[in-house]
Amino acid sequence: ETGVTQSPTHLIKTRGQQVTLRCSSQSGHNTVSWYQQALGQGPQFIFQYYREEENGRGNFPPRFSGLQFPNYSSELNVNALELDDSALYLCASSLKQALGEQYFGPGTRLTVT
Amino acid sequence: GQQLNQSPQSMFIQEGEDVSMNCTSSSIFNTWLWYKQDPGEGPVLLIALYKAGELTSNGRLTAQFGITRKDSFLNISASIPSDVGIYFCAGLISNFGNEKLTFGTGTRLTIIP
Repeated sequence: ETGVTQSPTHLIKTRGQQVTLRCSSQSGHNTVSWYQQALGQGPQFIFQYYREEENGRGNFPPRFSGLQFPNYSSELNVNALELDDSALYLCASSLKQALGEQYFGPGTRLTVT
Repeated sequence: GQQLNQSPQSMFIQEGEDVSMNCTSSSIFNTWLWYKQDPGEGPVLLIALYKAGELTSNGRLTAQFGITRKDSFLNISASIPSDVGIYFCAGLISNFGNEKLTFGTGTRLTIIP
C-alpha cells in the first residue's frame, strides 16, 4: 500500500505567476483535502474534493482552485501568486466514510519572491 | 483562519518524563484528532476520537475527547527521543457531507539531554 505522495518537493515562483501542485492519494482513498501551512502555524484547510467535485472550502480566495481526477489524484492551482502564498502545501487523502482519518503527504514547499 | 488553542505552546522535558498537552475550542466538534509533525514532513495521525468522553490509547499515547466536545487532551508517558516534534490537535466538523478539519496552533516538544 503506497502512501500519499506530492510533487514537486520545493518550488520557487515570482509574484504574479501561476503554480500547479500535484498529489497522489493513498491507495483506496477517494477523498483529497488540501491545506496551507505557514511557518510556525498549524495547517489551514483550503478545500476538499470527493468524486471529482469540491466538497467544502475554507477561507481562501477563488484564485486557489483544484481538480480531482478519476484515479483520485488531485491538483492545487494558485493564480496571481502573492508573497503571502509562501508556505508548505499539504495534501491529505481519506476514505469518505472514515471521517477525519486523513493521511498527509510530505508537502510542497512554495516560495514566492 | 480559525485555529484551535493548544497549550502549552512548547515543552522542554527530560527523557522518561510524562507529557500532557491540551486543546480547546469555542466550537463543538464531531471528531477530535491528534497529529505529530516532524521537520520537513507532513503531519502523521496518532489518535482519532469519535465520541464525547472517549478515552483512547495508542502505545504510550492516551487521548480523550472532552465531554463538552470543545476540548481534548493528549498524554505521552515515559517520553523517548523520537517523541520530539510538533503535536497538533484537529477538530472535524461534518455538515451534510462537507467535512472541514481545523487544526490547533501546535505544541513543540523538545527533550533535554
